[in-house]
Amino acid sequence: AQSVAQPEDQVNVAEGNPLTVKCTYSVSGNPYLFWYVQYPNRGLQFLLKYITGDNLVKGSYGFEAEFNKSQTSFHLKKPSALVSDSALYFCAVRQTGANNLFFGTGTRLTVIP
Amino acid sequence: EAQVTQNPRYLITVTGKKLTVTCSQNMNHEYMSWYRQDPGLGLRQIYYSMNVEVTDKGDVPEGYKVSRKEKRNFPLILESPSPNQTSLYFCASSLPFPYNEQFFGPGTRLTVL
Repeated sequence: AQSVAQPEDQVNVAEGNPLTVKCTYSVSGNPYLFWYVQYPNRGLQFLLKYITGDNLVKGSYGFEAEFNKSQTSFHLKKPSALVSDSALYFCAVRQTGANNLFFGTGTRLTVIP
Repeated sequence: EAQVTQNPRYLITVTGKKLTVTCSQNMNHEYMSWYRQDPGLGLRQIYYSMNVEVTDKGDVPEGYKVSRKEKRNFPLILESPSPNQTSLYFCASSLPFPYNEQFFGPGTRLTVL
């Protein structure tokens, strides 16, 4: 069975500081990993994905994520946080052979001016 | 503009009164899916469709029905809604799964009294 964990419900970071939102996963076979962001009263928006290849994936709005197979992690990072990055972030995983995407419970990021 | 639309955006109804939430996409996507979002539980998949006339259960299908008679439309049907179906619902679509990111609609907030 596939699963994904976002261990932090809430992450607070000062504007201009680096940010990390954590995600770990459990799948059979190779994982396909995604990050989405949800702004207030909006649907989810795609940020980035890892399918294969380079472990460091770059996405929208300056975000990046590093796939770490040994630690089964896919943490989302940004070198310098903006107040506008404040939102709810979801990690999602699909395992080989599955036709559905499994989402984590979300992490609320607050960037403090 | 490429988009996924849902109607209605807000709905308050009573237990047992059948309702349909419509979902339409204009991107010619094969894959469509319905999710519900609940606090502390993240997004959970209700049903998905790989293509026209092909639907399958997700993680929480009880109490819901779907149909996919046309490529662009994927309505969610609650035959006899109950209060535990009060939630925020999202429709999503994508090019053929599994490598492609999903595009989400704006959400439908349903309250069942």
